[in-house]
Amino acid sequence: EAGVTQFPSHSVIEKGQTVTLRCDPISGHDNLYWYRRVMGKEIKFLLHFVKESKQDESGMPNNRFLAERTGGTYSTLKVQPAELEDSGVYFCASSPLTSGSFRGVGELFFGEGSRLTVL
Amino acid sequence: AQSVTQPDIHITVSEGASLELRCNYSYGATPYLFWYVQSPGQGLQLLLKYFSGDTLVQGIKGFEAEFKRSQSSFNLRKPSVHWSDAAEYFCAVGGNEKLTFGTGTRLTIIP
Repeated sequence: EAGVTQFPSHSVIEKGQTVTLRCDPISGHDNLYWYRRVMGKEIKFLLHFVKESKQDESGMPNNRFLAERTGGTYSTLKVQPAELEDSGVYFCASSPLTSGSFRGVGELFFGEGSRLTVL
Repeated sequence: AQSVTQPDIHITVSEGASLELRCNYSYGATPYLFWYVQSPGQGLQLLLKYFSGDTLVQGIKGFEAEFKRSQSSFNLRKPSVHWSDAAEYFCAVGGNEKLTFGTGTRLTIIP
C-alpha cells in the first residue's frame, strides 16, 4: 500500500514568487493534515481537512497560504507571494476517520515532507 | 494550551549503550502522547503511543516509553541502541484532532 506522498521534495524560489505543494494521502484516509517545521523549531499544525472540508485552519499563518482538497482526495498548499520566513519543511499527514472514545486522535501517517527555501 | 518540551536538542551515544530521551508536556486533560522518529530521507514514523492503561508502553524497534502523570513526562528509552537508530525523535501530545510537537532531539550514534 502506498504511503503519503508529497511533491516536490524540495523547492527553491525567490521572495514574491508562488509555490504550490501537493500531498496525496493514503487511499481511503478522510483526514488530511498539513504541518510545517521551520528550521530548528517544532513541527507546527497548519490545518486539517475531513474529506474536502476544512475542519480546522487555526494554524495557517496568514492569507498568503491557501489550502485546498479537491474531491476529498489530494490536497494542495499554495503560498503566494512567498516570504523569507515561509522557508521550512511542510509535512502532510493522513489518517482514517475514527469513532468512539478516541476523540479522533489516532496515528497519523506522514509523508517525507516538502522542503521550501525562499531566497 | 497544550505544549511539549524536549530539553535535549542533540544527544550522542555509543552503539550498544542505553538511551533515554526526555519529554515533558502540558495538557489540561488526560493526554494522548506519541513518539515519532524521522530518519534521514524518510517521513515521520510512529514509534509508540499512549492513550490510557499501562503507563509503560512498548513500541517498534525495541523502544519503550513511560508515562508519569506526576512529572508530566513521557520519556523514551531503549536498552541498547543500534547505528540505525540515528535519527531525529519527536514527542507529541494530541487532542482535538491535532498534534502538538516538541522541537525534536537529534540522536547521533558513535561506534
